Amino acid sequence: DIVLTQSPGTLSLSPGERATLSCRASQSVAGSFLAWYQQKPGQAPRLLIYGASSRATGIPDRFSGSGSGTDFTLTISRLEPEDFAVYYCQQYSRSPTFGPGTRVDIK
Amino acid sequence: QVQLVQSGAEVRKPGSSVKVSCKASGGTFSSYGLSWVRQAPGQGLEWMGGIIPISGTSHHAQKFQGRVTITADESTSTAYMELSSLRSEDTAVYYCADDSRGYFDYWGQGTLVTVSS
Repeated sequence: DIVLTQSPGTLSLSPGERATLSCRASQSVAGSFLAWYQQKPGQAPRLLIYGASSRATGIPDRFSGSGSGTDFTLTISRLEPEDFAVYYCQQYSRSPTFGPGTRVDIK
Repeated sequence: QVQLVQSGAEVRKPGSSVKVSCKASGGTFSSYGLSWVRQAPGQGLEWMGGIIPISGTSHHAQKFQGRVTITADESTSTAYMELSSLRSEDTAVYYCADDSRGYFDYWGQGTLVTVSS
């Protein structure tokens, strides 16, 4: 299985700041088959990014993804109050696996 | 737009089984791929397995070998996940999700399964 590691575990930021979340894979993710999800308490995850850099339908352009191989990044250019949540990366080049998540909370 | 509606919360005793359903609408069920993902309280997401209804082909994570059965009924556009030999560590919210494109773009609302004696 491809193991995904996310850093940092928690990111404490203020609204308006830029958030940079990292996802590292134990081996190369073929085809950049890497997705990002946002999850808020009591809700199902929501797809943000697929194919490492493509925004899902209805996702604001302040969310962007980049990377290839083993290193991927999710960037939120300017945090809005509704962006404080947990973010997971997931690879789908082989049997799906998720990273442990990064919590973005209000500083 | 695909919609996935899951069955309600369940309480089971250790050693028993549970079967959770996921009814799809808004698309062509036979063209779906559906996966099951679980989340223990306060923990992350864990992929359990999936099915391609048109072929009936299912696959699952090695961790659940021998304990999980994933099926689909095209006549009712419903997928099922049955987990047996339940233990307390199986207490979690279980989600179904559309994985037709590999990633999970539509999710059910989740079903809480509580395993307790």
